[in-house]
Amino acid sequence: GAVVSQHPSWVICKSGTSVKIECRSLDFQATTMFWYRQFPKQSLMLMATSNEGSKATYEQGVEKDKFLINHASLTLSTLTVTSAHPEDSSFYICSAGGGQRSIFGPGTRLTVT
Amino acid sequence: GESVGLHLPTLSVQEGDNSIINCAYSNSASDYFIWYKQESGKGPQFIIDIRSNMDKRQGQRVTVLLNKTVKHLSLQIAATQPGDSAVYFCAEGDTGTASKLTFGTGTRLQVTL
Repeated sequence: GAVVSQHPSWVICKSGTSVKIECRSLDFQATTMFWYRQFPKQSLMLMATSNEGSKATYEQGVEKDKFLINHASLTLSTLTVTSAHPEDSSFYICSAGGGQRSIFGPGTRLTVT
Repeated sequence: GESVGLHLPTLSVQEGDNSIINCAYSNSASDYFIWYKQESGKGPQFIIDIRSNMDKRQGQRVTVLLNKTVKHLSLQIAATQPGDSAVYFCAEGDTGTASKLTFGTGTRLQVTL
């Protein structure tokens, strides 16, 4: 079946640095991908909708200049957390497709020290 | 709107018993609902879905019930097994291929032996 991968699965970075997370759709193309953030013991919160070849659409309260999204191909979307701070430590999950075709990735654990 | 829970409610069930997990959704315009299972450190795993033109759908050991009048969704797991222990989320959206999903608060299911 359709699979979505994320890389890295976990990352530790120092405060003030930037980190890039990749989301790939394997064996299928996705014009739309979604990025979610999940804090411990909480639900998934949608951050942004990533559209291939166009600008991402960010949810209210999500800083687009801090969370840079690039969807340069039909199989890859990247999320870059710029100038990361400890409060950005979270579990970041992407999904490819939407609605009934949503396929979720395994998530990336980001820890900012 | 989005639903965020600071503390996941927990349902404790004895192995072999049936489990019922409930969810209240927020958008009366949603026409597609999904139940996901999430194990620790992993992405959401699809369990079962239902469209708004149905009020019940059955899968293998799982049944989803939809009550649009009170915007309520439930997941029933028959003969609960230790491997069912996880956090369960409902999500709402529409059937469009680019539709974003809004996740509910989540419920932790603990299966006791």
